[in-house]
Amino acid sequence: QKEVEQNSGPLSVPEGAIASLNCTYSDRGSQSFFWYRQYSGKSPELIMFIYSNGDKEDGRFTAQLNKASQYVSLLIRDSQPSDSATYLCAVRYNYGQNFVFGPGTRLSVLP
Amino acid sequence: DGGITQSPKYLFRKEGQNVTLSCEQNLNHDAMYWYRQDPGQGLRLIYYSQIVNDFQKGDIAEGYSVSREKKESFPLTVTSAQKNPTAFYLCASSIGGAYGYTFGSGTRLTVV
Repeated sequence: QKEVEQNSGPLSVPEGAIASLNCTYSDRGSQSFFWYRQYSGKSPELIMFIYSNGDKEDGRFTAQLNKASQYVSLLIRDSQPSDSATYLCAVRYNYGQNFVFGPGTRLSVLP
Repeated sequence: DGGITQSPKYLFRKEGQNVTLSCEQNLNHDAMYWYRQDPGQGLRLIYYSQIVNDFQKGDIAEGYSVSREKKESFPLTVTSAQKNPTAFYLCASSIGGAYGYTFGSGTRLTVV
């Protein structure tokens, strides 16, 4: 059974701080990793994806992948109240296969 | 504008009734998916289709049925055999391969 785990939260950070969201996965054969943001009552929207070990930056967001330790993280710099949402980690284990989603971490950015 | 349209946004089902959720995309994506989301839980895969006239069961297909007669359309029927259908249903599409999903806006189904 392929699993993706995340802390459910809520993770509370003050406005302007760095929010760090973590995700671990069970299968070393994983290929690609995606982060989605989901506002309450809305559908998920893609924030970032990463395939290779290391860091990938896009604006205030940085995805970090460590395949040896089987974790992927998302850093949000200069957090804003509008970043308050649930963040879903998704793992694609083989090329062309479906995603396995984690349960999501709820982030609350306090003004 | 390209995207995925799900309808209706809210749906109420009586006990023993079948209901159909609509999903239409104009992104020219080959793959389409149906997920179910329950409060505080992640997305669980119901059915997926990677090509017209072909579809496969996901992790929780019991009580659901789908069809894929056109590339653009992937309707989901929630049958009376699904005993706990109250949930948020999400349709997604993908160009395939290593790319991510584009999600529709979702349908919230409630049993009354």
